[in-house]
Amino acid sequence: QVQLVHSGAEVKMPGASVRVSCKASGYTFTAHFMHWVRQAPGQGLEWMGWVRPRTGDTLYAQKFQGRVTMTRDTSINTAYMELSALTSDDTAVYYCARESSGYKNFDLWGRGTLVTVSS
Amino acid sequence: QSALTQPASVSASRGQSITISCTGTSRDVGGHNFVSWYQHHPGEAPKLMIFEVTKRPSGVSNRFSGSKSGNTASLTISGLQAEDEADYYCCSFAGGTTDDYVFGTGTKVTVL
Repeated sequence: QVQLVHSGAEVKMPGASVRVSCKASGYTFTAHFMHWVRQAPGQGLEWMGWVRPRTGDTLYAQKFQGRVTMTRDTSINTAYMELSALTSDDTAVYYCARESSGYKNFDLWGRGTLVTVSS
Repeated sequence: QSALTQPASVSASRGQSITISCTGTSRDVGGHNFVSWYQHHPGEAPKLMIFEVTKRPSGVSNRFSGSKSGNTASLTISGLQAEDEADYYCCSFAGGTTDDYVFGTGTKVTVL
């Protein structure tokens, strides 16, 4: 079954870091870029960046540069997104999304991980 | 990179048609034919409905169609059904600018 499965919900203190994982199955993990998108409560979708599983190359949205790190472990078909220096504004559902090869769209999404930042 | 502009909400009766606009700039919507649309039911994974402005993935109803004119893309849903009630987001490739992709502000579709 082709799917992306997220790690569980997280609660973090302001200033902390969080790492969210996304395990891919049912397709060749290294054949598709993996993107991260977030949605804050009551807000829209926000693109954060991508990691290229085959090489580990990354590109981050300007807003998150210096604070986000996207990695992958090809041995377990898993992508990771780590966000540091968390504030309450980072409270959101974080989604991984597979890019359709060559078509610049996101054809497979996970159900997301809720990250709550609260003291 | 500013979000693409969509109407906050659109409503219509079952069986009618609606069109959702998505306005960007020449650096994103107007500069590429990589506009896609996503349906999002809260609590679920977003679903790709349209890609490359007009194309439908396999399995998506032909009641959904896309178009583009200049810096504005549009999603039309014809024969509105109860299950179409959801949030809809456009997204455009914006490569060459500060960010690779930009999403729209989102539109809540209500089926009356």
